[in-house]
Amino acid sequence: RKEVEQDPGPFNVPEGATVAFNCTYSNSASQSFFWYRQDCRKEPKLLMSVYSSGNEDGRFTAQLNRASQYISLLIRDSKLSDSATYLCVVDANSGNTPLVFGKGTRLSVIA
Amino acid sequence: ETGVTQSPTHLIKTRGQQVTLRCSSQSGHNTVSWYQQALGQGPQFIFQYYREEENGRGNFPPRFSGLQFPNYSSELNVNALELDDSALYLCASSLGTGRETQYFGPGTRLLVL
Repeated sequence: RKEVEQDPGPFNVPEGATVAFNCTYSNSASQSFFWYRQDCRKEPKLLMSVYSSGNEDGRFTAQLNRASQYISLLIRDSKLSDSATYLCVVDANSGNTPLVFGKGTRLSVIA
Repeated sequence: ETGVTQSPTHLIKTRGQQVTLRCSSQSGHNTVSWYQQALGQGPQFIFQYYREEENGRGNFPPRFSGLQFPNYSSELNVNALELDDSALYLCASSLGTGRETQYFGPGTRLLVL
């Protein structure tokens, strides 16, 4: 099992749609979880950290399920500007590698 | 903006050459991590420096080496370049272990011919 696996993309959705991304991780001892957003040919930028109790930031909601080793990101009322690649990031809880990035899921929001 | 800067922005080299990439971390951050991102892939961890010492390394050969300076800026050196080294090289700074939020620079796009 890969350390961090994400839904295969791309997701093509109309404006206003709700879209959900899933991510699974292999290390049950991982403690930190993040979603980053990466625009085409740009650097990744933190979208939100993921907390055990789940957290919401405007139209974005992140959930963590430790038992299933699963993280999700829900985007409501999609905007054209949400088009990007979304990277799931998990701490490896190992001395050598602090954070492990998934391959990313590409989202295209269409007018 | 994150305050993390990288230079150069783009670079073209040929196989066998050597390259040095530079990164200035965000003010107050003492940890710098380097990543390689190939097209269509997520960033792959190369190594991390904390207070001028390497304190973590991913699955990259020894020809990938680095330095961190007293002002916490950093260099990534790659010797004997191979075609597969063509990628976006990202530097990220953070405060502490590197397991917290990382702030990325804009990256250096390297093409090896």
